[in-house]
Amino acid sequence: KAGVTQTPRYLIKTRGQQVTLSCSPISGHRSVSWYQQTPGQGLQFLFEYFSETQRNKGNFPGRFSGRQFSNSRSEMNVSTLELGDSALYLCASSVPGYRETQYFGPGTRLLVL
Amino acid sequence: AQSVSQHNHHVILSEAASLELGCNYSYGGTVNLFWYVQYPGQHLQLLLKYFSGDPLVKGIKGFEAEFIKSKFSFNLRKPSVQWSDTAEYFCAVMPNTGTASKLTFGTGTRLQVTL
Repeated sequence: KAGVTQTPRYLIKTRGQQVTLSCSPISGHRSVSWYQQTPGQGLQFLFEYFSETQRNKGNFPGRFSGRQFSNSRSEMNVSTLELGDSALYLCASSVPGYRETQYFGPGTRLLVL
Repeated sequence: AQSVSQHNHHVILSEAASLELGCNYSYGGTVNLFWYVQYPGQHLQLLLKYFSGDPLVKGIKGFEAEFIKSKFSFNLRKPSVQWSDTAEYFCAVMPNTGTASKLTFGTGTRLQVTL
């Protein structure tokens, strides 16, 4: 099976702009979770989507949003970018349940100037 | 809310030395436990996982971990490290509710293996 794919792999944006990142899960996985990885804060959970619905949400401002499509692909959007949004954004896919295991994609590295 | 502590931030070992990385978690209910590894320039990969049963679990590349419920710990071990084990290691927990779908990670341990 192909792994989790994320596009684009690298992005450079300026403050105030908005950005959309894309994630395609492993075939058959209906849950997609997003994480932000920074040197200072480590890996932090953003949100999770299952069957096109946001089921879980982390402690990030409303500028961070996402959605999931009927084919389980997911996008996350960050509006009004700030310098502190520079990070590696990771997507993970899984089959939800009591033995859920999340598998990660390579990430999108976002640099905000 | 759950939390995870990894006490070793940076570990330097010589090849063939034994490894033990500490992980402690805090949560009021049942959790699933994971170790992930991030090799330089690569994405986060699953090393091993624990759901229930035998508290000693074996993963890929000779790694194992032991769940000690009374200590809320899930330490990672390897009897003899190789230079290729140089990477960052993350312990993570997920509440075992069936719908949590949220991993809480520790801050990571950077392992450097010297020749």
